[in-house]
Amino acid sequence: AQSVAQPEDQVNVAEGNPLTVKCTYSVSGNPYLFWYVQYPNRGLQFLLKYITGDNLVKGSYGFEAEFNKSQTSFHLKKPSALVSDSALYFCAVRSYQAGTALIFGKGTTLSVSS
Amino acid sequence: NAGVTQTPKFQVLKTGQSMTLQCAQDMNHNSMYWYRQDPGMGLRLIYYSASEGTTDKGEVPNGYNVSRLNKREFSLRLESAAPSQTSVYFCASSEQGQGPNQPQHFGDGTRLSIL
Repeated sequence: AQSVAQPEDQVNVAEGNPLTVKCTYSVSGNPYLFWYVQYPNRGLQFLLKYITGDNLVKGSYGFEAEFNKSQTSFHLKKPSALVSDSALYFCAVRSYQAGTALIFGKGTTLSVSS
Repeated sequence: NAGVTQTPKFQVLKTGQSMTLQCAQDMNHNSMYWYRQDPGMGLRLIYYSASEGTTDKGEVPNGYNVSRLNKREFSLRLESAAPSQTSVYFCASSEQGQGPNQPQHFGDGTRLSIL
């Protein structure tokens, strides 16, 4: 069965420091991976995706993610965190059983302190 | 652009009552989805519609029904609400005609409490 794991419920980082939000996945075929961000009382917003090609994917708001096939990971990164990056982040993988729907991790709350 | 619009934004129901959550998108997308979000559980797929005229069950379909009214609208119905259905419900859409891995666009959710 396909699944996504986000091992950290919360990540705390100081403004200006680099941040990493971890994600590992389990799929039987090619992994199609996504990161979304959710601000309070809002829907999810797309940040970036990995389909094929370069292992380093660049996305919105200065975020990037590194795909590692051997470690089955897709960690979200940003070189310099902003207070405004504080939000709930979801990693997701495309489902092979439900059309093009997504299977989401449980989410990681990122808190950036000033 | 409105994107994906969900109504209502908030609702309180009593156990056993029924209601329909509405979702409409103005991006001419083929595929639409209903998810529920519960604390510590991420989002789980309830139903999806790959294209107008088709609907399929997701991971947690029990207690729900859906209707793909036309290309724009995809509604979710609770026939007899139960406290376990207290959740935040999200509708999403995506354009799969450009390939199967297009990002999904989400509405702002309906916060549903069942007493």
